[in-house]
Amino acid sequence: SQQGEEDPQALSIQEGENATMNCSYKTSINNLQWYRQNSGRGLVHLILIRSNEREKHSGRLRVTLDTSKKSSSLLITASRAADTASYFCATDVGGGADGLTFGKGTHLIIQP
Amino acid sequence: EADIYQTPRYLVIGTGKKITLECSQTMGHDKMYWYQQDPGMELHLIHYSYGVNSTEKGDLSSESTVSRIRTEHFPLTLESARPSHTSQYLCASSDLGRPREQYFGPGTRLTVT
Repeated sequence: SQQGEEDPQALSIQEGENATMNCSYKTSINNLQWYRQNSGRGLVHLILIRSNEREKHSGRLRVTLDTSKKSSSLLITASRAADTASYFCATDVGGGADGLTFGKGTHLIIQP
Repeated sequence: EADIYQTPRYLVIGTGKKITLECSQTMGHDKMYWYQQDPGMELHLIHYSYGVNSTEKGDLSSESTVSRIRTEHFPLTLESARPSHTSQYLCASSDLGRPREQYFGPGTRLTVT
């Protein structure tokens, strides 16, 4: 079973509204990262939050991390049509593990 | 966009053919990765490398092989393509240390007929 699972699987909102996506994971982590993937493209790194951080901001993005609940959320404020994409959380469990473990992603559609 | 390149972007090929997917990065990263992703699904790590002459298998078993003769180059080869290999293949790179933000190429969408 995958480490990270995003919720919801798909989300459609009007331009200008805020979008919130959630990620749950199973094991302890070193850090958690959020990526965006436009259709048919590679992933673009959005933001990284370390296990000892609770909240992080980057432009219109706000990420929270609750290690006691093993969950994270990504908030995109004032959404734009260009934000339409799939959003993945990825966990880095640290230690000797290599690579990141990705969830299935949330497909976000911003209606103009 | 990061300086990591993949060619070809799309490949449609018949069963039994040998193929090589190219990946190059100009960031001087030591670590490189190959992920496999089916449409609408999560990424699965199939290979990674710590540096020149280092190759390791990832979490998902794959019939593909990789090589790392130069730091910037990490090609993936399928000796005999099968329809079950149809997927998107994503190459990524990162620094060695943590936290390990990864930079992805645009991907190669492979279809084996």
